[in-house]
Amino acid sequence: GAVVSQHPSWVICKSGTSVKIECRSLDFQATTMFWYRQFPKQSLMLMATSNEGSKATYEQGVEKDKFLINHASLTLSTLTVTSAHPEDSSFYICSASGGPYEQYFGPGTRLTVT
Amino acid sequence: GDSVTQMEGPVTLSEEAFLTINCTYTATGYPSLFWYVQYPGEGLQLLLKATKADDKGSNKGFEATYRKETTSFHLEKGSVQVSDSAVYFCALKAGGGADGLTFGKGTHLIIQP
Repeated sequence: GAVVSQHPSWVICKSGTSVKIECRSLDFQATTMFWYRQFPKQSLMLMATSNEGSKATYEQGVEKDKFLINHASLTLSTLTVTSAHPEDSSFYICSASGGPYEQYFGPGTRLTVT
Repeated sequence: GDSVTQMEGPVTLSEEAFLTINCTYTATGYPSLFWYVQYPGEGLQLLLKATKADDKGSNKGFEATYRKETTSFHLEKGSVQVSDSAVYFCALKAGGGADGLTFGKGTHLIIQP
């Protein structure tokens, strides 16, 4: 149980375009989901906390107008990278909260902006 | 702010060797501590956790003890197997609710037969 999926697993886009990444909890409902970003050989950095039916909470330094998060249902959160640039190329990982001490992670999405 | 420091790899060991991966943290208050494991091509999986000082988390032969006096949460296993090869992340959660995690950089463990 407690499976989280992400789609797509890998996306290449041109500079200036927008890309949407989906995060789904497949077998449980998650009122809270999290978005992380991981650079090569670096740790995961929390970008934002996504709560179903309300606005996301962004970490300091994360541009909320660039990284749009929508948590429209208890099983789906989306991250849209708007007007992507090469520096946005990274590995984006979501997780879904299953309780105060449990987070279930998706396999990640690799974004390459050319 | 909160931070987690763990030994960087890769760490290469022979099968049946003893494993220690060091992890120390900086946090205000009383965080919960976690070890996650990431196998190739898969998402992070919770390996073990400890929610208060002196707690010992254990799973699949791995253990870690929450040491508040040394702000540490070192991961240990008495006899590693080839199947333990993966990337291990130490992490903390500062709050009591559904908060995001602060991760270390990860340690790549390679076990040779």
